[in-house]
Amino acid sequence: DAGVIQSPRHEVTEMGQEVTLRCKPISGHNSLFWYRQTMMRGLELLIYFNNNVPIDDSGMPEDRFSAKMPNASFSTLKIQPSEPRDSAVYFCASSPVGGPTDTQYFGPGTRLTVL
Amino acid sequence: EDKVVQSPLSLVVHEGDTVTLNCSYEVTNFRSLLWYKQEKKAPTFLFMLTSSGIEKKSGRLSSILDKKELFSILNITATQTGDSAVYLCAGKNSGNTPLVFGKGTRLSVIA
Repeated sequence: DAGVIQSPRHEVTEMGQEVTLRCKPISGHNSLFWYRQTMMRGLELLIYFNNNVPIDDSGMPEDRFSAKMPNASFSTLKIQPSEPRDSAVYFCASSPVGGPTDTQYFGPGTRLTVL
Repeated sequence: EDKVVQSPLSLVVHEGDTVTLNCSYEVTNFRSLLWYKQEKKAPTFLFMLTSSGIEKKSGRLSSILDKKELFSILNITATQTGDSAVYLCAGKNSGNTPLVFGKGTRLSVIA
């Protein structure tokens, strides 16, 4: 199993540009989570999906952030327009809903730098 | 609101020392507590605890849960420089909701 796949691994962009982060969860996992991690705030949950349906997006900081999951094997997190304070590592994680474990499996993350 | 608090925030020890990391939680309808290790990249799973008093062990790492006092500890014996990482604790309730993470303990093991 390839694990959770994220792309790109690094993204450097200028303020005002649109940024799209991508995630492929582990096959068969029903839940997908987007997190943001910074030194100041630690690991923050942005949004999560169960069976491709967004369940809770209360962690999404502003309307500039949006996430979609068009099918069970793909999700995107979009920031438009990006700002320097969005600079962080963005993790995607997946887990099997109703499975024997609550473990979430994390992807390698996307390090976003907004200049 | 559910919350998880870890202490200390950071810790510096010498190789060979034993360390104890703390995690207290307030999680409604608590189901499980998980420990993760995060080095330079993504968090990797260490333990999941659901029952009080039963120690989970993996090599030099061990963890135990106290559901009465609402805390867990992660012990690392004979620490090595490779143990240097951020250790994250997370709580899970019985509903279909995500893990609630603490801010982590940054452990530095120096030779």
